[in-house]
Amino acid sequence: TQLLEQSPQFLSIQEGENLTVYCNSSSVFSSLQWYRQEPGEGPVLLVTVVTGGEVKKLKRLTFQFGDARKDSSLHITAAQPGDTGLYLCAGGTGANNLFFGTGTRLTVIP
Amino acid sequence: KAGVTQTPRYLIKTRGQQVTLSCSPISGHRSVSWYQQTPGQGLQFLFEYFSETQRNKGNFPGRFSGRQFSNSRSEMNVSTLELGDSALYLCASSLRLTGAGNTIYFGEGSWLTVV
Repeated sequence: TQLLEQSPQFLSIQEGENLTVYCNSSSVFSSLQWYRQEPGEGPVLLVTVVTGGEVKKLKRLTFQFGDARKDSSLHITAAQPGDTGLYLCAGGTGANNLFFGTGTRLTVIP
Repeated sequence: KAGVTQTPRYLIKTRGQQVTLSCSPISGHRSVSWYQQTPGQGLQFLFEYFSETQRNKGNFPGRFSGRQFSNSRSEMNVSTLELGDSALYLCASSLRLTGAGNTIYFGEGSWLTVV
């Protein structure tokens, strides 16, 4: 089983601060996805990265896939209360499997 | 375009009973996957169906089963419920089999409480 560890597990910050969430594994993935899940809802896809070293930006969110395709990071600039939620990374393999990380629960305090 | 629809949203069952959950995928999507989400274990893959055939299965006991119909709608069944089966059960649909770079869309989930 490919294990994806996310850190930190919980994060509480003030509005306007920056933060980085990490997703690490000893396994190589062909793709890495990030999701955000809000209470009472299912996860919603934020981004997919497929190339080692790839960086994608989505407004204030910056996603990076590690060169070796074993890890990824999500950086949020100037966090807002609307960013509050559970952030999940998920690694895809060629065998049509998607493995989810342990999750990071982010709270942005106004 | 309607999203993934799961029913029921909330249910309470007693230990030993069985439960059936339903999922209607996005129109045109042929793959349906099921996940169990708990605070302690996170999001864990149960199984995936594509064109009415189970294509992938996670590490869950045989009490967990599923099926997919010709219209791509899917059901999952849990028999002989245990307290530890209390969880949010999420269904996700996609055009193709889940895999590298493929986008999956989740429903809002079915909250199961076993008492």
